[in-house]
Amino acid sequence: EDQVTQSPEALRLQEGESSSLNCSYTVSGLRGLFWYRQDPGKGPEFLFTLYSAGEEKEKERLKATLTKKESFLHITAPKPEDSATYLCAVRPSTGGGNKLTFGTGTQLKVEL
Amino acid sequence: DTEVTQTPKHLVMGMTNKKSLKCEQHMGHRAMYWYKQKAKKPPELMFVYSYEKLSINESVPSRFSPECPNSSLLNLHLHALQPEDSALYLCASSQAPGLARVGVEQFFGPGTRLTVL
Repeated sequence: EDQVTQSPEALRLQEGESSSLNCSYTVSGLRGLFWYRQDPGKGPEFLFTLYSAGEEKEKERLKATLTKKESFLHITAPKPEDSATYLCAVRPSTGGGNKLTFGTGTQLKVEL
Repeated sequence: DTEVTQTPKHLVMGMTNKKSLKCEQHMGHRAMYWYKQKAKKPPELMFVYSYEKLSINESVPSRFSPECPNSSLLNLHLHALQPEDSALYLCASSQAPGLARVGVEQFFGPGTRLTVL
């Protein structure tokens, strides 16, 4: 069965304190790994797509990396506005319709 | 235009009411999705439309009835809901996956907060 596990569940950082969020996956063939940011009561906002081990994507203070078993979302010098829940999702090779399997998310709080 | 819009933002309904949620996108996407999200949980897929045809129904109760009138619009008709159906309902759209079935990113709308009394 396809599984996505995110850790930690919650993370509290001081402004400027860099850290990483982890997304471990067990899927029958990976056809894409996606990172989203979600603010309370709003829809997820797309951040990155990764397809192959070794691939990296960057956007402002965020950098996503991918290995054969996990993905990391690195946050460099975070600011309070980076506070949100970060969701990881995978598209396995089984099933159709671009169906994604989501992790339960990491709730990030960045304090002044 | 890279936006998915949803109306209404909030909806309160009784268990005997009939209401509809609406979703619209103008990105030329040919796949559209309905998700349900409970507090502190990830989105849970309900339905997928591909080229205006229902391609996935995740065993959703018949009190939820999806409709895709055209390539830009997606509706979710609600009837005889239960209090446990209260949640954030999210619409998303994406390019239709090609023959290679490589995953493509889904773009989400802001959601409709539904409360069933």
